[in-house]
Parts: sequence; structure tokens; C-alpha cells
Amino acid sequence: GNSVTQMEGPVTLSEEAFLTINCTYTATGYPSLFWYVQYPGEGLQLLLKATKADDKGSNKGFEATYRKETTSFHLEKGSVQVSDSAVYFCALRADSGYSTLTFGKGTMLLVSP
Amino acid sequence: NAGVTQTPKFRVLKTGQSMTLLCAQDMNHEYMYWYRQDPGMGLRLIHYSVGEGTTAKGEVPDGYNVSRLKKQNFLLGLESAAPSQTSVYFCASTRNSVNQPQHFGDGTRLSIL
Repeated sequence: GNSVTQMEGPVTLSEEAFLTINCTYTATGYPSLFWYVQYPGEGLQLLLKATKADDKGSNKGFEATYRKETTSFHLEKGSVQVSDSAVYFCALRADSGYSTLTFGKGTMLLVSP
Repeated sequence: NAGVTQTPKFRVLKTGQSMTLLCAQDMNHEYMYWYRQDPGMGLRLIHYSVGEGTTAKGEVPDGYNVSRLKKQNFLLGLESAAPSQTSVYFCASTRNSVNQPQHFGDGTRLSIL
């Protein structure tokens, strides 16, 4: 079946540091890949997505590239802010079925001033 | 600009009680989903619906029932609540279209004593 593996957190960084959160996946076919962010007490918000190999999703300074050869979709940001503190979820949607998502377990990011 | 609305936001139940969680979306989405979020487990799919009058089981359906009598509403029922069902429940919806993201509600925090 499909699965998503994320690096365990928490990830603790100082403001303006470089961020990488690793995500790898197992799936058949050509899934779409997503990063969602969850701020404290809120639901999940779509951060970025990529729908085919070599696509780069980007939003709010975050980027992730769909690498089919390494089955990865790592999240990066060049300079994090305190306001980026949240839980980040990597997810995939198979290219068949009813758009159900398979989520990783989430990675908490804590950014200090 | 409501999007996906979940009610209630918080609830405490005693073991054996029943209750229904309501999810309403105003985006005319065909697909709707119920997830539960537990520490260290990410989000797991309970049930989903691909249209009015249809429902299907997800990864962890036991102990839950759902109904989709109207396109905009998706109800999650607990007939006899158990402490293992203490969790945060999220509803999501999306269009019946490839590569569309799921839109999430803010969650319902449910405690079973």
C-alpha cells in the first residue's frame, strides 16, 4: 500500500536558519504530493503541491521538488521565521481512487528568535 | 468565506454515550472525508464519501458510522463511545478533479472519559 515517511521532530532552529524536512514515499503509479501545515489549534492548510515528477511546488518561501528517482519530496526554506513554527505534514494522493490522502506522521518545527 | 465548518469544537463524553459530529462545506465539493489525529500517528482516514448518499470505509472505520444525506454535510457518529476514541477529528472536502487539494475544518477535540 501507499505510505509516507517524514523525519521525526521536533526540529528546533533559530530565526533565519535554513530548513529541511525530509519526506519519502512509497506508492505505485504517479501520485500527487503535498505539504500541509498545521498551526496550533487550527486545521491543516495546504502549503504547496506537486503533481508530476520534477515539478517544484513553492509558497511563502517554502519549496519542495518531486523526485521520482529517489521517491522524495523534501521541504526547504532558506530563512525561517518565528511565525513558521507549526507542524508540517507530507502527504500523497494516489493517481487512482477517490482522492484519499496518505499522511506522514508530521514534523514539528520550533523557531526561536 | 466559511469553507469547511465543524461542530462542535470541543466535547467531553462518558464511555458508552453516543454523539454526532457535523461537517458542513459551502464549496460544492463532491468528496468529503473524516480523519482522526492522534499524537505521533499523523492523520488517519476514518470514512469518506464521493457523493450524496454514498460512503466508504477508510483506514480506521471501526466504532464509527457516517452519513451523507446532503451534498454539503457529512456526519460522523459514535454509537457507543470508548476511551480509545479520544482524539482530534478533522473533516475535509475536495472537488472531483485530479490534483485538487483537500480543504480542512478546524477540528473537533473529543475526550471520552
